[in-house]
Amino acid sequence: QPAPAQPASVSGSPGQSITISCSGSSSDVGTYDFVSWYQQHPGKAPKLLIYAVSNRPSGISDRFSGSKSGNTASLTISGLQSEDESYFYCTSYTTSRTYVFGTGTKVTVL
Amino acid sequence: QVQLVQSGAEVKKPGASVKVSCKASGHTYTNYNIHWVRQAPGQGLEWMGIIRRSDGLTIYAQSFQGRVTVTGDTATTTVHMELSGLRSEDTAIYYCVNERDHSFYFDEWGQGTPVTVSS
Repeated sequence: QPAPAQPASVSGSPGQSITISCSGSSSDVGTYDFVSWYQQHPGKAPKLLIYAVSNRPSGISDRFSGSKSGNTASLTISGLQSEDESYFYCTSYTTSRTYVFGTGTKVTVL
Repeated sequence: QVQLVQSGAEVKKPGASVKVSCKASGHTYTNYNIHWVRQAPGQGLEWMGIIRRSDGLTIYAQSFQGRVTVTGDTATTTVHMELSGLRSEDTAIYYCVNERDHSFYFDEWGQGTPVTVSS
């Protein structure tokens, strides 16, 4: 199961909006709305940001939003803040009843 | 609040096996699944497999088939992940992760267990 492709890095200035794509296939992202996003700071465990494409768990800032079109899911971070500098991963349920993580994106706040 | 507490760091020689445990607590619902995810140094996240608490069903990623075994002890709410035939590429942090049954996302993560494979 190939990993959904994410850009290796995305950067933006404080206050700007950035979007991270997660390009999967008809075996994962394109078939199910079970796409979730995770944020990971270095040396820490990942943290859930978005589930079921566009839902935020309680306690997650509304600056984070998710969407999906076809085989590609997207995470948008609006009002970029210095603490957003970290790694982001998408994941999707697959037609093999397994899960696959995206390749990961490093976000840099300029 | 669900908590997952994992066993400590391991150092193994190539060809050996490692068994990592994960004790779950704080569930206010009956059915949940425990997944295993690993992260090699400087690399991304890799899904390894799942065990369903409700019936003990396990599903593994194809890349680990034949090498990984996940077992669960419902009495102690502890899950174990055993990886055999270790090679240097298996050096990674191994996380156990909680999924409320049929939610299809990972809401709580263990602290991670570093496993080093070195001769």
